[in-house]
Parts: sequence; C-alpha cells; structure tokens
Amino acid sequence: GESVGLHLPTLSVQEGDNSIINCAYSNSASDYFIWYKQESGKGPQFIIDIRSNMDKRQGQRVTVLLNKTVKHLSLQIAATQPGDSAVYFCAEKEYSTLTFGKGTMLLVSP
Amino acid sequence: DAGITQSPRHKVTETGTPVTLRCHQTENHRYMYWYRQDPGHGLRLIHYSYGVKDTDKGEVSDGYSVSRSKTEDFLLTLESATSSQTSVYFCAISARGGIRTDTQYFGPGTRLTVL
Repeated sequence: GESVGLHLPTLSVQEGDNSIINCAYSNSASDYFIWYKQESGKGPQFIIDIRSNMDKRQGQRVTVLLNKTVKHLSLQIAATQPGDSAVYFCAEKEYSTLTFGKGTMLLVSP
Repeated sequence: DAGITQSPRHKVTETGTPVTLRCHQTENHRYMYWYRQDPGHGLRLIHYSYGVKDTDKGEVSDGYSVSRSKTEDFLLTLESATSSQTSVYFCAISARGGIRTDTQYFGPGTRLTVL
C-alpha cells in the first residue's frame, strides 16, 4: 500500500543541523499536546509532551515550544542525526480524545 | 512498543470476508484504542475501551466492532471487509483516559489489504 509518508510536507536537513518542525492546532481549549515520531513500517513512538500551563519543555536533544496565542506547537531537534529521519506529528487533547496531525517528514542527509 | 503486540502484522483478504485483528498489552493499562492510518489523513479513532466490556465509538466506527473480555486483549472485527477498509491499523494504550487522557503508546501496526 501507499506509504503514509507520501504527500507530506518535508523538511530536509544536514546531519548536525538543528531541525524545527511546526504544528498548528485547532482548538484553543486543548490542554495537552504530544509529539510522536514514526519510522517507516513502525508504530508511532512517543517523543515528548507538554501541558497548556507550560511554554517550553526539554528532553534529550528535543525541545517543545507551545504558543497558545497563535495555537502553534514546535519541536526542535538539536544536532539532527540520520536516525532522526522519520515522520513527526503532533497530537492535541480536545476534551477526552486525542486529535492527530498529518505530520511532517524529516529527511536527514549525512 | 511499550509492551503492545498486534496480530497478525500483515493480512490480505477478500471483500466480504470477516477479519479480526488482535491487540495484546502487558502494561495492565485500562484504556485501549484502535486507529486507522491512511495517506492524507492523521490517525483516526475507530473504537476505544475504558475497561473490560466497556467500549465506545470513535470518529470512523462504521463497519467495525470491538470486544474486550480481558484487560490485556482488545479485538477489532470487520464483519464484512470492504476495499475502503484497506489501511494500517494501530492499537494504542494509555493509563488514563476521559478528560484526563494522557500519553497513548502505540503498537507496531497491522497492514490490512482488502481485495
């Protein structure tokens, strides 16, 4: 079947660069957000999450920024590596369910 | 994959046949979910369960049914498969749900092709 990664916006970076992946969310009442990484042929993998009472949260090589004013979420990956190549998508919690974005494909060249 | 297995991992079937996909977890999480993933769409919720024998419909539930007789197993059944149900199906689990929904962890997926 067709890969889920086709027809997605793509970000191409060089190994060692910092990557920024963006996500616009729809509901101003959303209070919890998650970033997932999905490699080809695998299930989505949790990267980092953030609650709406925070603006920024850091993990290992990743930072999530939340701008509630413009309903925007970003994922920053420091020192991007070839193993970071994947589809990245955000999810927002609206009331009791998660709504998932379509994703961005990150391509990292050596 | 956070202690989640799905079976089968790949299946090809014909239109009109029944199909059952299985999700098994070892995390003892209360909440379990079935999603489908198609090109051009984000993950879409089919059904979810908030306990043994407790299930509810999601966004795209037509043509699907589910059952949960044990905490660890959540079954998705296509009573009469159609070509529009060709997709990749993911099971997910979470410790909390409802208005306290938090991180969902996903299984490896089942690729289903309906000819």
